[in-house]
Amino acid sequence: DTGVSQDPRHKITKRGQNVTFRCDPISEHNRLYWYRQTLGQGPEFLTYFQNEAQLEKSRLLSDRFSAERPKGSFSTLEIQRTEQGDSAMYLCASSFDNEKLFFGSGTQLSVL
Amino acid sequence: DQQVKQNSPSLSVQEGRISILNCDYTNSMFDYFLWYKKYPAEGPTFLISISSIKDKNEDGRFTVFLNKSAKHLSLHIVPSQPGDSAVYFCASSFFGNEKLTFGTGTRLTIIP
Repeated sequence: DTGVSQDPRHKITKRGQNVTFRCDPISEHNRLYWYRQTLGQGPEFLTYFQNEAQLEKSRLLSDRFSAERPKGSFSTLEIQRTEQGDSAMYLCASSFDNEKLFFGSGTQLSVL
Repeated sequence: DQQVKQNSPSLSVQEGRISILNCDYTNSMFDYFLWYKKYPAEGPTFLISISSIKDKNEDGRFTVFLNKSAKHLSLHIVPSQPGDSAVYFCASSFFGNEKLTFGTGTRLTIIP
């Protein structure tokens, strides 16, 4: 197993466009998390899933953001009508229950 | 409202000496504390953790100290090695590894 995989590594888009990121967790992990990191800040929690159920969403996750984890395996994070303030590193992590998190390398989003 | 603070953005330490990274938190309800290490172009990697019922946890060269009355934790690395050069984030949670709140990070540089 190669760990948590995120695709794409980099995404450049124009303001107003929709973007979708994918995360493939470690196969035996039942929890999957999304975090966002902006320059000079630490990662900020966005949402997490236990299997296919989305258990919690941060108030940072506006209605333009939607995350899914169909069948409890990979997850997608979609941002609709992107804004320049959405530019950030989007990090995915997975864990088995409440054990330690393993992070992917992230998707760097730039909104022009 | 920054609930977890790392007031030193950077720290330089001679190889072989002790590195001490500090972290303060404001929410007394946090009961689990962690340190993550991040290399460029990679996601954060778990380093060490401590629950609020302890005041010290050690793992090889890494020791985390927790002072609950001062709402302060520190990470000691002894001896420091060049491979320790990275950004270190402290993080806190109310329950295990769910919904971590990260600090802004400290960039540690080990000087050979």
